Amino acid sequence: GAVVSQHPSWVICKSGTSVKIECRSLDFQATTMFWYRQFPKQSLMLMATSNEGSKATYEQGVEKDKFLINHASLTLSTLTVTSAHPEDSSFYICSARDSRLPSFYEQYFGPGTRLTVT
Amino acid sequence: AQSVAQPEDQVNVAEGNPLTVKCTYSVSGNPYLFWYVQYPNRGLQFLLKYITGDNLVKGSYGFEAEFNKSQTSFHLKKPSALVSDSALYFCAVREYNFNKFYFGSGTKLNVKP
Repeated sequence: GAVVSQHPSWVICKSGTSVKIECRSLDFQATTMFWYRQFPKQSLMLMATSNEGSKATYEQGVEKDKFLINHASLTLSTLTVTSAHPEDSSFYICSARDSRLPSFYEQYFGPGTRLTVT
Repeated sequence: AQSVAQPEDQVNVAEGNPLTVKCTYSVSGNPYLFWYVQYPNRGLQFLLKYITGDNLVKGSYGFEAEFNKSQTSFHLKKPSALVSDSALYFCAVREYNFNKFYFGSGTKLNVKP
């Protein structure tokens, strides 16, 4: 149980285009999902907290208009990188918390999406 | 403010020897502490957590961690390392009543045959 999937696993896009990344909780409901960005050989940087049915909460320094987050259902959150630039190239990871479990339980992570902007 | 420190970028150990990956934390309240492992180009896999109770926590794949409140540490240990344990290890802290995790910088574990 507790599987989180991401799609696509990797994507190459041209500068100026938009890319959508999906994060799904496959066998549990998640009212809260998280989006992280990871640079090579570095730690995870929390970008935003995605709340089902409401607006995402962005971390300081993360552009809301550039990284659009939609959490339309209890099992799906999407991250759209708008007008992508080469500096947006990174490994994007989502995680989710099982809503049925106490809040101190661990987050479950997706396998990540490698975005390359050319 | 919450923070996590992993003082070693890399830990090298021979297969069969015990391993320790260090983690110290700083929170204003009671901490929830976690260890995750990441293999190349993959997401994070949960290893173990400390919430309350026994200071020695046992987790997946033979790993364990010891919570030390006085030293604000949560070091990851394994009695006998395997080559397959080679990966990137992250310590994370969460404060009670907050959703956000704060991750350490990661420690690359190299286990040599």
